[in-house]
Amino acid sequence: ETGVTQSPTHLIKTRGQQVTLRCSSQSGHNTVSWYQQALGQGPQFIFQYYREEENGRGNFPPRFSGLQFPNYSSELNVNALELDDSALYLCASSSNYYGYTFGSGTRLTVV
Amino acid sequence: KQEVTQIPAALSVPEGENLVLNCSFTDSAIYNLQWFRQDPGKGLTSLLLIQSSQREQTSGRLNASLDKSSGRSTLYIAASQPGDSATYLCAVSSPDTGNQFYFGTGTSLTVIP
Repeated sequence: ETGVTQSPTHLIKTRGQQVTLRCSSQSGHNTVSWYQQALGQGPQFIFQYYREEENGRGNFPPRFSGLQFPNYSSELNVNALELDDSALYLCASSSNYYGYTFGSGTRLTVV
Repeated sequence: KQEVTQIPAALSVPEGENLVLNCSFTDSAIYNLQWFRQDPGKGLTSLLLIQSSQREQTSGRLNASLDKSSGRSTLYIAASQPGDSATYLCAVSSPDTGNQFYFGTGTSLTVIP
């Protein structure tokens, strides 16, 4: 049974650019959530996908968008990057509401 | 909106000591509570999951308790080791937003050899 895999591990982008982060969920998990963790803070919920449909969204602007594919892998897209978007982006998968498995994250730096 | 608080923010103990980390939440109507460990710059590792109908869970040297009525959870670590040094995060999910975890800001633990 594989865990949650995220790519890339690190990324540097320029303000105004667009970025796509990827996540492969754990085998058998049909729900994927994305979180943003700023330095020294707890993770903040961005959104969740269940069977390819958005199933909840946190307090993030529309320039944060996502997709879930038939194999339950997922992408997080961020347009018009801002300096404050610099953070660790975490993906988590679950097969129910009873606990999540997190990936190792993607460290995004916006300069 | 659910708010999660963790106290203390940082803790330093000598090796071998038993310790308790605290987590409090404002809305007692939760689905479950999960404790995670995070090493610097890394992802989250799940330690213990307590469902709303449970009062505690144990795994090795770790024991987590849940008191929904008072909005509190504790993580007890027995016989601490230097390898336990990490940040410990508490997260809760609620029925109204069952798909969203609310996290505390964590307790940074240092175990001194």
